[in-house]
Amino acid sequence: DTGVSQNPRHKITKRGQNVTFRCDPISEHNRLYWYRQTLGQGPEFLTYFQNEAQLEKSRLLSDRFSAERPKGSFSTLEIQRTEQGDSAMYLCASSLVSSGRYNEQFFGPGTRLTVL
Amino acid sequence: GDSVTQMEGPVTLSEEAFLTINCTYTATGYPSLFWYVQYPGEGLQLLLKATKADDKGSNKGFEATYRKETTSFHLEKGSVQVSDSAVYFCALRDSNYQLIWGAGTKLIIKP
Repeated sequence: DTGVSQNPRHKITKRGQNVTFRCDPISEHNRLYWYRQTLGQGPEFLTYFQNEAQLEKSRLLSDRFSAERPKGSFSTLEIQRTEQGDSAMYLCASSLVSSGRYNEQFFGPGTRLTVL
Repeated sequence: GDSVTQMEGPVTLSEEAFLTINCTYTATGYPSLFWYVQYPGEGLQLLLKATKADDKGSNKGFEATYRKETTSFHLEKGSVQVSDSAVYFCALRDSNYQLIWGAGTKLIIKP
């Protein structure tokens, strides 16, 4: 399977706990995006990486959220001291951007987080 | 800022009916426009796209035309099937290559 994969698919945690999600993009893709999607809404942009550099972070991304892409391949999104409002689907996408050309973003299946 | 507005769902149709899902946008410049589809339990998939005014994107019997004069990108299909039941998202790509999304429209096709 050469698509975008995300783990875990589901995570249930108690308020105040830390959680970490992983995204494995399509191997040759240089851009990796994180989104959050709540029920009945479209995805909201959180952050993106060009190779290992984190180039933009949304104002939605509070200090409790941190993302890394240490070797320009897989990425992790950590949420510290989770709150009930963090319950959502967390989506990862990857794309290949080169020479001013943009290719479509390919999405993973998402990680559904439930904070009790 | 840039934004996308699409018709609220759910939209419920019988098999073989004609489908229209409205999408309008607000943007500076000339964004590229996209329709994504999310089938139950699956990730978002690009359905079709258009990169400039009057372009028509098409895929799997779905079509949408980039109308600059009405800032619209309505999704249409002449004869829907039960397998088309999904949530459809309209999106634009802004000048920073970020995708701005509509809220999604759930489509239910009854046999």
